Amino acid sequence: SQKIEQNSEALNIQEGKTATLTCNYTNYSPAYLQWYRQDPGRGPVFLLLIRENEKEKRKERLKVTFDTTLKQSLFHITASQPADSATYLCVAAMNTGFQKLVFGTGTRLLVSP
Amino acid sequence: NAGVTQTPKFRILKIGQSMTLQCAQDMNHNYMYWYRQDPGMGLKLIYYSVGAGITDKGEVPNGYNVSRSTTEDFPLRLELAAPSQTSVYFCASSYGVEEGYTFGSGTRLTVV
Repeated sequence: SQKIEQNSEALNIQEGKTATLTCNYTNYSPAYLQWYRQDPGRGPVFLLLIRENEKEKRKERLKVTFDTTLKQSLFHITASQPADSATYLCVAAMNTGFQKLVFGTGTRLLVSP
Repeated sequence: NAGVTQTPKFRILKIGQSMTLQCAQDMNHNYMYWYRQDPGMGLKLIYYSVGAGITDKGEVPNGYNVSRSTTEDFPLRLELAAPSQTSVYFCASSYGVEEGYTFGSGTRLTVV
């Protein structure tokens, strides 16, 4: 079955540095990937969507890449701030008539002052 | 705008009891979804709807039921609660198929 793999260990970085989160998929080809932010006790919040024919997408301090050869997406937060501390979910969307989303379990990011 | 509103936020049910989780959105989205999130697992789709009067099963529909009589509301019904249904439930909506989802704040359900 289709799976999304994200590092289950928390990523600890210092304020001002760039955080890079990794998302890998294996034996399938998503039509696009989404990234969400989830805070404790809250629902996920949509951040970015990148399609298979797009190499890179940016939004303010966020950047997402999509490498179909490596079967990998990287999510970058530049000039990170303590307020960026949260769990980030990678989601793969299959193009099967009605889209099927496969959610990763998320990577927790901790940004220390 | 309120976005997606879910009620209640917390609930404890006894085995065999029934309840309805309410979900309402005010963004005029056609697509609505119910997910459950278990510890260490990705969100799993329970049911979805592509418009009023149209619903379909997702990945884990057993033990649940839904209806969509209006564009705004998409309630999720648990008929005979079981401990395996202890989870956090999220309702979400989207304008189109290839759009980011707007999620509610969730309902934490415990079945004892």
